[in-house]
Amino acid sequence: QVHLVESGGDLVKPGESLRLSCAVSGFTFSNFYMTWIRQAPGRGLEWLSYIDRDGTTTDYADSVRGRFTISRDNAKNELFLQMNNLRAEDTALYYCAKGHTFIDFGGGQGTLVTVSS
Amino acid sequence: EIVLTQSPGTLTLSPGERATLSCRASQGISTSSLAWYQQRRGQAPRVLIYGTSSRATGIPDRYSGSGSGRDFTLTISRLEPEDFAVYYCQQYYNSRTFGQGTTVEIK
Repeated sequence: QVHLVESGGDLVKPGESLRLSCAVSGFTFSNFYMTWIRQAPGRGLEWLSYIDRDGTTTDYADSVRGRFTISRDNAKNELFLQMNNLRAEDTALYYCAKGHTFIDFGGGQGTLVTVSS
Repeated sequence: EIVLTQSPGTLTLSPGERATLSCRASQGISTSSLAWYQQRRGQAPRVLIYGTSSRATGIPDRYSGSGSGRDFTLTISRLEPEDFAVYYCQQYYNSRTFGQGTTVEIK
């Protein structure tokens, strides 16, 4: 069963950086693309980025392109999201998900990022 | 960017009734590239339907999806108490985008 646990969320000031992690279990991580999604408080879902199986191909939403970087460590079954130059509008609950077309959130609870001065 | 517009914003129905949710794309998309998700309060979303009409593993057959081109529909044939939630459509034809969601609430 897919199990995804996000971590690394915190309260940061505008312009600061943060690195999110996603620990994966229940499936062969290296066989699957992975995705990051976020949800601002009281708002809908926003697709952010995906990464292919070996980390060589990525894609980003325009809202985060150039500021966020997705990466993975297949040896440790971990997915990452490096977030730089954070803005107030990046405040959200961040989810990782399995796949890159339709996606499986694996019941993860997300990790909360708050950007405020 | 493909914009997905869901309607209505809120659907107020009673248990046992039929729910029909719409998702319109700003341009035509392949039927293989449209999914629906359910998000219950306080929970992560889960996929219900992919490829317009294929039910994900474990999803009951009261859920069905249809559509083509720009217009897609999620139908819940008879609402159960656990179906009152927010529903999102998502396209993965050109990059990926989500609709803004439809809330199905109890009447």
